[in-house]
Amino acid sequence: AQTVTQSQPEMSVQEAETVTLSCTYDTSESDYYLFWYKQPPSRQMILVIRQEAYKQQNATENRFSVNFQKAAKSFSLKISDSQLGDAAMYFCAYRLYNNNDMRFGAGTRLTVKP
Amino acid sequence: NAGVTQTPKFQVLKTGQSMTLQCAQDMNHEYMSWYRQDPGMGLRLIHYSVGAGITDQGEVPNGYNVSRSTTEDFPLRLLSAAPSQTSVYFCASSSGQGGKLFFGSGTQLSVL
Repeated sequence: AQTVTQSQPEMSVQEAETVTLSCTYDTSESDYYLFWYKQPPSRQMILVIRQEAYKQQNATENRFSVNFQKAAKSFSLKISDSQLGDAAMYFCAYRLYNNNDMRFGAGTRLTVKP
Repeated sequence: NAGVTQTPKFQVLKTGQSMTLQCAQDMNHEYMSWYRQDPGMGLRLIHYSVGAGITDQGEVPNGYNVSRSTTEDFPLRLLSAAPSQTSVYFCASSSGQGGKLFFGSGTQLSVL
């Protein structure tokens, strides 16, 4: 079974600074997707960024970027110029190309200090 | 632009009671699923469906039933609620293999 590990239960960052959230996963497959979801206090699950495993180029979405290391099975999220609205729980997730089962990590709670 | 709609948002049950969590999507997605979210454990898959008339078990299916009579609806039934089922429940849908999940707003369920 595929597992996703987020080793940082909590992180904090100063407003306007950069923070990196870690994620590792365990799989024997070669074709899959990786995701970062954000869950603010409203409880809504919001997709932050998606990476396809066959793409070597790291995905970016405005202030959000990933460092995808396929051989190391690592998928970290970097948030640049952190804003107060970035405070949330962040979940790393994994999904096979040919399977609809998405597996989530336990989450990292990010606090942004003004 | 409704997306995925879950009802109710909050529910309190007594042990042994039954209830149905409703989920509907208006995006014509074939794939729908139910997750539960517990502190320190992330989201865990309960049941999923790849189309009308087809359902399958996920990681934590015990105590829950589902059915998929239409593409739009995917209700989750608790037949005899237990305190261990106290959790936040999310319904999600997806358009295809490997695509991103669209989530409902969640249901906070407490079983006393």
